[in-house]
Formats: sequence, C-alpha cells, structure tokens
Amino acid sequence: AAGVIQSPRHLIKEKRETATLKCYPIPRHDTVYWYQQGPGQDPQFLISFYEKMQSDKGSIPDRFSAQQFSDYHSELNMSSLELGDSALYFCASSLGRGASGELFFGEGSRLTVL
Amino acid sequence: KQEVTQIPAALSVPEGENLVLNCSFTDSAIYNLQWFRQDPGKGLTSLLLIQSSQREQTSGRLNASLDKSSGRSTLYIAASQPGDSATYLCAVDASGTYKYIFGTGTRLKVLA
Repeated sequence: AAGVIQSPRHLIKEKRETATLKCYPIPRHDTVYWYQQGPGQDPQFLISFYEKMQSDKGSIPDRFSAQQFSDYHSELNMSSLELGDSALYFCASSLGRGASGELFFGEGSRLTVL
Repeated sequence: KQEVTQIPAALSVPEGENLVLNCSFTDSAIYNLQWFRQDPGKGLTSLLLIQSSQREQTSGRLNASLDKSSGRSTLYIAASQPGDSATYLCAVDASGTYKYIFGTGTRLKVLA
C-alpha cells in the first residue's frame, strides 16, 4: 500500500541558508501535518493543512512557512536556518479534517544545519 | 496544558515475556489516543488508534486500553519478540484535529 512520501530523506545546510521539504500524502488523503522531532525529543506539532487551507498551527517558527498544493502535496520552507533547526521532520496524512481515521506518518526528512 | 508521560522510560525484557507500557495524560478531555512505534532514526509506525468512545483496541499481539477518567492508557504486548525492540510513543489528540501531543516514549529492548 502507498505510504506518505517525504523528500529529501536527508539534507545538510549551512546556517542562514534555506531548506525546502516536500511531502506527498497517501492517495486520497486531503489533510497533511508537519511535526518536528529534535534529537532525543518527542515530536512537536508544527502545522497542518486541510483542503489546501491551513487548518491548525503549533510551535512553528516565523522563519518557517508551509503550504498545501492542488494535488495535496505539501512543502515546508525553512529560512535563515539555525543550528537548533537540526531535527527529523515528519509529515503525516489523514483522510478528512476530523480525527476519525488514523494518522499515517512518513519516514521523515533529517535536516542537519552546520 | 496537556502533558503526556510514559512510564517506564526504558525497559529490557527476555524474549517471550508479556509486558505493559503505560501512558498518562493530565487532561481527560481527549478525542483520540494513538500508539506508535519508532525504530532508531526512522519514522513513526501507527500501532493502534483508540477513539474517545472506545475503551480498547487490539491488533495481533498488541492490545491498547484507554481510561479517560483516570487519564491513562496501557499498551499490552504479548509474547514479546526481539523484533519488538523499538521506542513506543503514545500521542493524545485533544482537539480532534490530530494536533498530537506526544509522550516521552518508552525504549523497549527484547533480548533473544
């Protein structure tokens, strides 16, 4: 069965650079979520989108922005990268905005900021 | 503010044992609780989802229960195997929108 696809899987950037992460949800899933997991930390909710509109917002820095496109894939843009942005970034998808079904996570994109 | 705690933080057991992982949350007004498994450096694999109206869910050797009034969930793993070695995370959804708050995780090691 198709899963949530994230790219790139690994990314190395310098401080103050910009990074873009992509997420392709499970087919027919219309809601995507972004989570950030720092080293040794539990995942923290960043932002979610339903039907291409921002649905909910968590602890996402102002330097980060995200959007969901017409094909439901989503991109997380991170600018002015800081060392503390080094983390595993997860995308997840579900069908429908309400939590009536399971949430499925991708394998994550590991960002390292040097 | 919702806080989610998992006990124990780490657990090492011999193969074949039945074990229980605990998850506690401070605010009982939740929509869902989901248990995940995470292998080192890998993504989150969904194990069981318990909706607020349910008391337990079962999948194979796994059984998860939910007691909202006491703010607790348990994940029972029967006949543990070395392949069960991973970190187990519970996540609580208080808004019905999957804005999950994750627990601190339990690192499980099953010895052959």
